Amino acid sequence: DAGVIQSPRHEVTEMGQEVTLRCKPISGHDYLFWYRQTMMRGLELLIYFNNNVPIDDSGMPEDRFSAKMPNASFSTLKIQPSEPRDSAVYFCASSRSWEQFFGPGTRLTVL
Amino acid sequence: SQQGEEDPQALSIQEGENATMNCSYKTSINNLQWYRQNSGRGLVHLILIRSNEREKHSGRLRVTLDTSKKSSSLLITASRAADTASYFCATDDSSNTGKLIFGQGTTLQVKP
Repeated sequence: DAGVIQSPRHEVTEMGQEVTLRCKPISGHDYLFWYRQTMMRGLELLIYFNNNVPIDDSGMPEDRFSAKMPNASFSTLKIQPSEPRDSAVYFCASSRSWEQFFGPGTRLTVL
Repeated sequence: SQQGEEDPQALSIQEGENATMNCSYKTSINNLQWYRQNSGRGLVHLILIRSNEREKHSGRLRVTLDTSKKSSSLLITASRAADTASYFCATDDSSNTGKLIFGQGTTLQVKP
């Protein structure tokens, strides 16, 4: 298995633009998690899905953030409009038990 | 607030020495996990210890869990330069939701 796949790996955009991050979980995993990592705040859970259904989105910072999981093999995290404080590394992880498998992350820079 | 808090925040040792990292948490748990993150990479699962276990080994890793003190430690024996990374503890919130709460991590540097 290729592991969790995220794209793009790097994204540089200007304030106000829409950003879409993509994730393909490991086949057979029924949980999918989106995290954000910064030096100041560490690793934060934004939202997670179970069987494609959002279970807990309490970590989503604002209405500018939205996430979808249209099927078991694909999820998106969208930021619209983006702001400089959204600059961070965004990780997607999947699991079928307690052990989570992380993707390589998307480094987002909002200018 | 963070469920898990690691101590120390940073640790620098020589190759061959042992490294010990500690984690404290606040609520009841089903299990506690340790993850490693190399610079620029995603987290990688190292070991899971259940709440009814006190000690677990995996290769050069030894994890202990004291539920009465709500604390865990990760010991890496005979460290190598390749062990240089950040180490995070993660706990569930005993709700069986699959959700984990990560600590702030310990940055370990192993000097060759």
